[in-house]
Amino acid sequence: ETGVTQSPTHLIKTRGQQVTLRCSSQSGHNTVSWYQQALGQGPQFIFQYYREEENGRGNFPPRFSGLQFPNYSSELNVNALELDDSALYLCASSFQGRMVYEQYFGPGTRLTVT
Amino acid sequence: AQTVTQSQPEMSVQEAETVTLSCTYDTSESDYYLFWYKQPPSRQMILVIRQEAYKQQNATENRFSVNFQKAAKSFSLKISDSQLGDAAMYFCAYRGNTGNQFYFGTGTSLTVIP
Repeated sequence: ETGVTQSPTHLIKTRGQQVTLRCSSQSGHNTVSWYQQALGQGPQFIFQYYREEENGRGNFPPRFSGLQFPNYSSELNVNALELDDSALYLCASSFQGRMVYEQYFGPGTRLTVT
Repeated sequence: AQTVTQSQPEMSVQEAETVTLSCTYDTSESDYYLFWYKQPPSRQMILVIRQEAYKQQNATENRFSVNFQKAAKSFSLKISDSQLGDAAMYFCAYRGNTGNQFYFGTGTSLTVIP
């Protein structure tokens, strides 16, 4: 069973730039959620994708957007980067349809905005 | 919105001893799920234990057990026979029965003293 993978591991961007982060879900999972984890904080829910559609969104502005592909992998795009976007970005996959609401996390992408 | 509070930013325990991490939450829902996740320094978040709110029996997974007090909205994690590998950040998380968003606390950093 393949676990959740994310790329890249680290990324440094300049304020105002755009960034794309990638996530491959665990084998057999059809749902991907994205989280932002600022230093010293717990993860904050950005949004979730199920069947290639956004399926719930947290309190994040529209410049945070995403995609899910037919193979259930996903991208997180952030436009017009701000210094406060510096954080660890986690994706988590799960299987929607069972009565087990567990999700499995990837190792994260550390984004630094300068 | 649901909130999850972890009032202990840091805890320490002697190897082989028992430690309890606290978590409280606020919700108006009657059905929900509670989780404890472990995030070692390598960053990958790992599910430790899950509790369904409709179950009165406290969940147990080997050395890990919870004390779920629904009326008090309390969900503490007990780690017995602590091991050096238990050192990590521990996050308490809530997921409602409807919707798909997980809410995380700010975490407790656990140190295990040899």
